[in-house]
Amino acid sequence: EVQLVESGGGLVRPGGSLRLSCVASGFTLSASDMNWVRQVPGRGLQWISYIGSDDTVHYADSVKGRFTISRDNAKNSLFLEMNSLRVDDTATYHCARDGFDVLTDSTFHAFDLWGRGTTVIISS
Amino acid sequence: IQMTQSPSSLSASVGDTVTITCRASQGIFNSLAWYQQRPGQVPKLLIHAASRLGSGVPSRFSGSGSGTDYTLTIRSLQPEDFATYYCQQYYTLPPLTFGGGTEVEIK
Repeated sequence: EVQLVESGGGLVRPGGSLRLSCVASGFTLSASDMNWVRQVPGRGLQWISYIGSDDTVHYADSVKGRFTISRDNAKNSLFLEMNSLRVDDTATYHCARDGFDVLTDSTFHAFDLWGRGTTVIISS
Repeated sequence: IQMTQSPSSLSASVGDTVTITCRASQGIFNSLAWYQQRPGQVPKLLIHAASRLGSGVPSRFSGSGSGTDYTLTIRSLQPEDFATYYCQQYYTLPPLTFGGGTEVEIK
């Protein structure tokens, strides 16, 4: 089955750190462009970070310099290292795969596969 | 690029046709996706490239638009369509940006 499963969330004090993991099954993560997207319960979606199959990385301004996206191809896993955490980082974090258009044989930066997410709570 | 979705919520009945709009702060050249999120579930990709239906998505869903203005139309609304819908532009990376969402409620 093609799926993404996240883990690593928890309750952390402001200024603390967490490392989120996302294990892929049913496809090769290293051949895919991957993202982290977060959602505050009852609120909207916010894109956080991207890593391409060519190892290009991008970040939202709100997390640049604090979060690091990476990948372990041998483990078919995606990671998000989060440092200097703030109260407004509280959210459910999803890993998500870029879509692939079979007609144009190209990827596009919208998300055709999502994990169920892992919850991060930043509170003192 | 800012994405402004409207309305933020609407009430409709089974069988109705509903329209949700998304306006980008600059042209995005059809690099627009629509998602459906049911309560307790993750977003599901409905449409990409403004009008291309995703795999397995019913044909009652359609997307249109160009430039800065895009529309999601749901014809003959079904009970399972009551959900929150989001647009997302992918013309620029970074960042990728979502609209604020439209909650479709049962009247």
